[in-house]
Amino acid sequence: QITLKESGPTLVKPTQTLTLTCTFSGFSLTTTGVGVGWIRQPPGKALEWLALIYWDDDKRYNPSLKSRLTITKDTSKNQVVLTMTNMDPMDTATYYCAHSQCSSSSCNRGFDPWGQGTLVTVSS
Amino acid sequence: QSVLTQPPSVSGAPGQRVTISCTGSTSNIGANYDVHWYQQLPGTAPKLLIYGNSIRASGVPDRFSGSKSVTSASLAITGLQAEDEAEYYCQSYDTSLSGPVFGGGTKLTVL
Repeated sequence: QITLKESGPTLVKPTQTLTLTCTFSGFSLTTTGVGVGWIRQPPGKALEWLALIYWDDDKRYNPSLKSRLTITKDTSKNQVVLTMTNMDPMDTATYYCAHSQCSSSSCNRGFDPWGQGTLVTVSS
Repeated sequence: QSVLTQPPSVSGAPGQRVTISCTGSTSNIGANYDVHWYQQLPGTAPKLLIYGNSIRASGVPDRFSGSKSVTSASLAITGLQAEDEAEYYCQSYDTSLSGPVFGGGTKLTVL
């Protein structure tokens, strides 16, 4: 059974850097085809993809946020870490991490399952 | 403004059939990228419902079905039940973004 759980601060100040950790079980990020993504959802709004990291350390970022994001993995701890710099109140959202699995022909196979999410509020 | 366009809301009475559309462009759905659907119940994380355009995820009842045509996709729910009341999101891949894209979400209300 695959599970993921997000952890990190619930409140950050504007201009600060946010660091979120996704701790997972039931799979390994050393297995070919496996990926972990980060997706966020502002209150009452839609989902927005942020970043993805794959088993081979390939990293993808949403172009609109790329300059602020860094995604890394620690396979020994079964963790994926997302950092976002220069936080703004507009970044207030629930942040989710989710498992992704590439097939032999495509890595666009959806996110399943998702963590429970963690609400991050940006306020002074 | 989401890359994939969904109607903000749909509604139906118990037992009825509803469809939710997801309209993209030639850089995503029209570029032959698969579409996936998620159900988000109030206060919970999204759950994969349909992947690869029409394949139901494990445990998803056959009342849910997905289809894709050119630059759009649809989610159909038959035999509507009160428990289906949720937000539904489509997702695909976009070549311009080089990454996943989501629709704006559709709120399903069971009357």
